[in-house]
Parts: sequence; C-alpha cells; structure tokens
Amino acid sequence: DAGITQSPRHKVTETGTPVTLRCHQTENHRYMYWYRQDPGHGLRLIHYSYGVKDTDKGEVSDGYSVSRSKTEDFLLTLESATSSQTSVYFCAISDMGEAFFGQGTRLTVV
Amino acid sequence: QKEVEQDPGPLSVPEGAIVSLNCTYSNSAFQYFMWYRQYSRKGPELLMYTYSSGNKEDGRFTAQVDKSSKYISLFIRDSQPSDSATYLCAMSAGSGAGSYQLTFGKGTKLSVIP
Repeated sequence: DAGITQSPRHKVTETGTPVTLRCHQTENHRYMYWYRQDPGHGLRLIHYSYGVKDTDKGEVSDGYSVSRSKTEDFLLTLESATSSQTSVYFCAISDMGEAFFGQGTRLTVV
Repeated sequence: QKEVEQDPGPLSVPEGAIVSLNCTYSNSAFQYFMWYRQYSRKGPELLMYTYSSGNKEDGRFTAQVDKSSKYISLFIRDSQPSDSATYLCAMSAGSGAGSYQLTFGKGTKLSVIP
C-alpha cells in the first residue's frame, strides 16, 4: 500500500456538529485530494491541494473546508455536519498522473 | 453528457473468461488514464496507468487507450474469482495546478463465477 493513513476509519456524529477527517502521507507527493463515494454517484472530488497552503474546490465542496499546513497532512472539515454528508470519504495522493488512495473513512451523520 | 461514461453492469462471467471493460470520455484534454479495482468496503487500488494513447500489459491485464475515439478499455485474461470487484476508470488532463485531479467513471461491478 502507498503510505496513506486516514483517520478515523469510522465515525458516527450528530447533525450540526463539526467533524475533521485526517489524511497523512509518507510519500512526499505534491497533490492531495479528498473524494466522497456514494451509491449512484461514484467518486466525486470535494477539495484538492497542490502544495502547502494551496487548496482549491472540487465538484462538491459546499459544506466542506480543507487545510494543508504540512506536505504530509491534509485535513477535511465538515463545519456543521448534515445527514447528506453521510458517505465514505477517500483521500488520494499523486505527483503527476497516477493517484493512490487511502482505505477510506466511513462517516455517518445521525 | 457526463465527462466519463462507464457501463455499471453488473457483469457476470465464468472463471477463465476474457473480460472487457470500457469507458468513453468527452474531454479531449485528458491524457492520463487509469484503471482502479475496488473490493467491497476497501479503497480503490491502482491497477493500470497509461499516459496518452497505446497499450500497456501487466500480467493478465491489458489497458488500451484510443484518444482519437475517446475510448479506453481494460482486458482481463483468464479471469479468476478473486477478480470479482468493481472496476473504475479514471482520467486527468495533467497540465496546470488543478488538472491532475481525476474524473471517474461510476464503475463496473464484475463477478467471476467459479
């Protein structure tokens, strides 16, 4: 496996609470991504980073924010969790074309 | 029209069959093409990676890219029950700060029956 660790792996949280998911890499790859995967929608890009403190929005960024203060860490924050954010979240890393994925975080918002 | 189209299946084949999986795309800027395998409740695993047009072979797997037709394929020879998974195609343009982000097909679910 590529050196990508996502934490936590599972989380149940209540509507309206903030949640932060962490992605940690040991590969020193420049690009990091957060995707969500939902039945019928496939993998959709939430936010991505192309360097420390350089981030941009993806296809489904509403309700999410990100931060990257170090090359190895990329944080995804749900500022006020909603039931529509129940999903499986994947972090990915790449240097150029090929991307490698973490094992995912299964988030349930009740 | 979606940027990347992939038949969701499901596709069921007998063990030992040759499997053909395909995606079409509309964005002519795409030049990096990938196939991922995803087992249930696991992360996508990179299977094949191709830059620009052409073929690439790795063991039982062959990836083909035809940029003129905007069509990519993955062939699995001598399919095994362990190949049962969802296969995702993905592609990116790869030029500029945001352009290595991947656009995915929705995946094809494959079952290989012993």
